[in-house]
Amino acid sequence: GAGVSQTPSNKVTEKGKYVELRCDPISGHTALYWYRQSLGQGPEFLIYFQGTGAADDSGLPNDRFFAVRPEGSVSTLKIQRTERGDSAVYLCASSLTGTGHPYGYTFGSGTRLTVV
Amino acid sequence: AQSVTQPDIHITVSEGASLELRCNYSYGATPYLFWYVQSPGQGLQLLLKYFSGDTLVQGIKGFEAEFKRSQSSFNLRKPSVHWSDAAEYFCAVGGGSQGNLIFGKGTKLSVKP
Repeated sequence: GAGVSQTPSNKVTEKGKYVELRCDPISGHTALYWYRQSLGQGPEFLIYFQGTGAADDSGLPNDRFFAVRPEGSVSTLKIQRTERGDSAVYLCASSLTGTGHPYGYTFGSGTRLTVV
Repeated sequence: AQSVTQPDIHITVSEGASLELRCNYSYGATPYLFWYVQSPGQGLQLLLKYFSGDTLVQGIKGFEAEFKRSQSSFNLRKPSVHWSDAAEYFCAVGGGSQGNLIFGKGTKLSVKP
């Protein structure tokens, strides 16, 4: 597609429930990233995929968070047993290469997750 | 530790005035540097990027930034601000073998008529 697409744009869930957030990157971009942005903060890195594999998952806060990219394109971020502290905007980005060279990183519009 | 500092949380400028948003970074390798803009409820839009070469880079919407290695800075400038520039601006650093970006906390820009 022309841009990075994230669905849903908004998600309200009850504490303890399981949620899935989807990211469809720009076609041909091998690198895909998930970030989390809390109110008044900059985006914080969660996980980075190069192709189908997670090249760096050091930003995942705990084992309730998991992400997959089985065919090297669409990625799903999965959060189990959601907590109110998980409420944030989850941003996905993709790039042609893992360093962002030469075109930079393109971000989606994000999924706003609210845990009530 | 790798980090990005944007010292100004909120800046207000008059329309037509010049603008400079500060960004300092700490990074162990040769940095790739980026400025993004975020309007309320929107994703991040890339304004400009620096990988190598000329240290003064031009971006979209009339923005430019200058990489100063000796000062570990990458300040964003615009000679004449428009009301539509009101938004939040994020500086980020990445590069080398590291795949992800490290962002600053952002600077919110307000524009007075």
